[in-house]
Amino acid sequence: DTGVSQDPRHKITKRGQNVTFRCDPISEHNRLYWYRQTLGQGPEFLTYFQNEAQLEKSRLLSDRFSAERPKGSFSTLEIQRTEQGDSAMYLCASSLQGDNEQFFGPGTRLTVL
Amino acid sequence: QQPVQSPQAVILREGEDAVINCSSSKALYSVHWYRQKHGEAPVFLMILLKGGEQKGHDKISASFNEKKQQSSLYLTASQLSYSGTYFCGTGNNRKLIWGLGTSLAVNP
Repeated sequence: DTGVSQDPRHKITKRGQNVTFRCDPISEHNRLYWYRQTLGQGPEFLTYFQNEAQLEKSRLLSDRFSAERPKGSFSTLEIQRTEQGDSAMYLCASSLQGDNEQFFGPGTRLTVL
Repeated sequence: QQPVQSPQAVILREGEDAVINCSSSKALYSVHWYRQKHGEAPVFLMILLKGGEQKGHDKISASFNEKKQQSSLYLTASQLSYSGTYFCGTGNNRKLIWGLGTSLAVNP
């Protein structure tokens, strides 16, 4: 297994555009997490899935953010009508069910101009 | 509720020891420790679970005080490779809430 992968690694977009990121977790992991991280901060929880079910979404997350994991494998995170404040590193992690080690992908760095 | 980490930053000489603390205002179910180097993703170090179970690397040690709602990470005989930002995350068997991190620099 090659670990968690994310695509793209970098994305530059103009304010108001929509963007979509993809995460491919470790194949046997049924949990998948999305985090956002800005400089000098810890990862901020956005949402997580167990298999294809989205079990929790941060209350801080606006309706412009949506995530899917249609077949319980890869996941996508979409941000609609991007704003400059959305600029951050978006991290994906996967784990086995329960309180287990989370394996992180390399992240997608989003810059909104 | 975000856990509080202390200190915010530490500078060590190679071979010195350090302790990084993580405290929560809420009862802890688990504490995760990760290290992140600049421009890289966080890397797992250890999980401490309520009841005393630990999962992690043999060379890293940590404690979990359920009554005080605190965890401490012990870095002994530090190496240059220990440099990075250390994050604790408090878990509830569902998600992690992360602290702001402790920046550790180990100099020769």
